[in-house]
Amino acid sequence: DVKVTQSSRYLVKRTGEKVFLECVQDMDHENMFWYRQDPGLGLRLIYFSYDVKMKEKGDIPEGYSVSREKKERFSLILESASTNQTSMYLCASSLFGSRVNEKLFFGSGTQLSVL
Amino acid sequence: GESVGLHLPTLSVQEGDNSIINCAYSNSASDYFIWYKQESGKGPQFIIDIRSNMDKRQGQRVTVLLNKTVKHLSLQIAATQPGDSAVYFCAEKEFNAGNNRKLIWGLGTSLAVNP
Repeated sequence: DVKVTQSSRYLVKRTGEKVFLECVQDMDHENMFWYRQDPGLGLRLIYFSYDVKMKEKGDIPEGYSVSREKKERFSLILESASTNQTSMYLCASSLFGSRVNEKLFFGSGTQLSVL
Repeated sequence: GESVGLHLPTLSVQEGDNSIINCAYSNSASDYFIWYKQESGKGPQFIIDIRSNMDKRQGQRVTVLLNKTVKHLSLQIAATQPGDSAVYFCAEKEFNAGNNRKLIWGLGTSLAVNP
């Protein structure tokens, strides 16, 4: 069964801390994505990557960075966490070349609270 | 800007009835649409997709209808079951030279199935 695993289900951090959210997929997918989900705002794309060491900004990249050193792992980094980054973070992956079929496989999410 | 929206934020149906979840889109250049289901505590899960050269596509108990004339998409669930209770998202693929891997997401409709 295909799987996208996010390292933490719940995370509580303090303002100013550096935060790492990890995501691993076992489907050999080229594309990986980080979204945040907030009530009333739906899913918003932060960053995505279509290959190792490649990254592209999504709609709301400010305050975030990403790392893709291995094909199966995509990390989201909050350099200095702020309270407005309290949110549900969702990682997803998809096959490369899926220009039309954008079937994403999602992890269960990480609920991050920044105090 | 152009966006995908939903007609109804919440929908309540009786078990066994058919459900219809609606979605409006404004970008006439979009040619791929997809529905996801998100159960409580989980990431979104792919349900069904449709390309703009089709008007209808059927899956197991689900049907997606696309009306390009009025830019309307709907998801029909037959014989709704308690396990169908979830938030349903529609998304569209915006074919734009710079970001052909990005989906535009609707805000979601919450479906509640009453026993």
